[in-house]
Amino acid sequence: EVQVVDSGGGLVQPGGSLRLSCVASGFTVISKFMNWFRQAPGRGLEWVSVSYPDGTTYYGDSVRGRFSVSRDSSKNTLFLQMTNLRVEDTAVYHCAREMRLGTSREAVDIWGQGTVVVVSS
Amino acid sequence: DIQLTQSPSFLSASVGDRVTITCRASQGISSYLAWYQQISGKAPKLLIYAASNLQSGVPSRFSGSGSGTEFTLTISSLQPEDLATYYCQQLNNYPLTFGGGTKVEIK
Repeated sequence: EVQVVDSGGGLVQPGGSLRLSCVASGFTVISKFMNWFRQAPGRGLEWVSVSYPDGTTYYGDSVRGRFSVSRDSSKNTLFLQMTNLRVEDTAVYHCAREMRLGTSREAVDIWGQGTVVVVSS
Repeated sequence: DIQLTQSPSFLSASVGDRVTITCRASQGISSYLAWYQQISGKAPKLLIYAASNLQSGVPSRFSGSGSGTEFTLTISSLQPEDLATYYCQQLNNYPLTFGGGTKVEIK
């Protein structure tokens, strides 16, 4: 079955760090365009980052310089390292796979169930 | 960044009704638009990609149309299991952005 499973969320104090994991099955993480999204309580969806197959990464304005994405091909896992966390980073974080046709971004077709991050003192 | 404006933000309809949700983009995005269904507490589920293509396994009562700046999601005959929030998303460029969502209630 093609799926991703997110984990690693928890309660952290402002200024703290956390690393989220996204384990994929049914496909290889390093061969796909992989994204992180988040959803704050009662709010809509927000794009956080993308990781390209060639290792290029891009980040949203609100997290650039604080969050970083990495991959471990041996574990078929995508990571989101979050540092200098703020209260406004509180959200459910979803790992997700982009569906592409050639170079065209078509949709995000596989989503993780989400992992909850709470930043609070 | 490309802004997406969804309307309405909330709608209440009866089982069997035809329901239409609109998504307007702040600039042209060709057909780089997807629609998702999110049932409370769950991950979003892809319904429509490339504006009008039905994702495999999605019931045929869901359809999408539009291009450029104006798009619609239609549910031809609303079912009780369609109670959810629906989001449009543009994939023309990063940052990928979403509409504010439409919460669908069953009367």
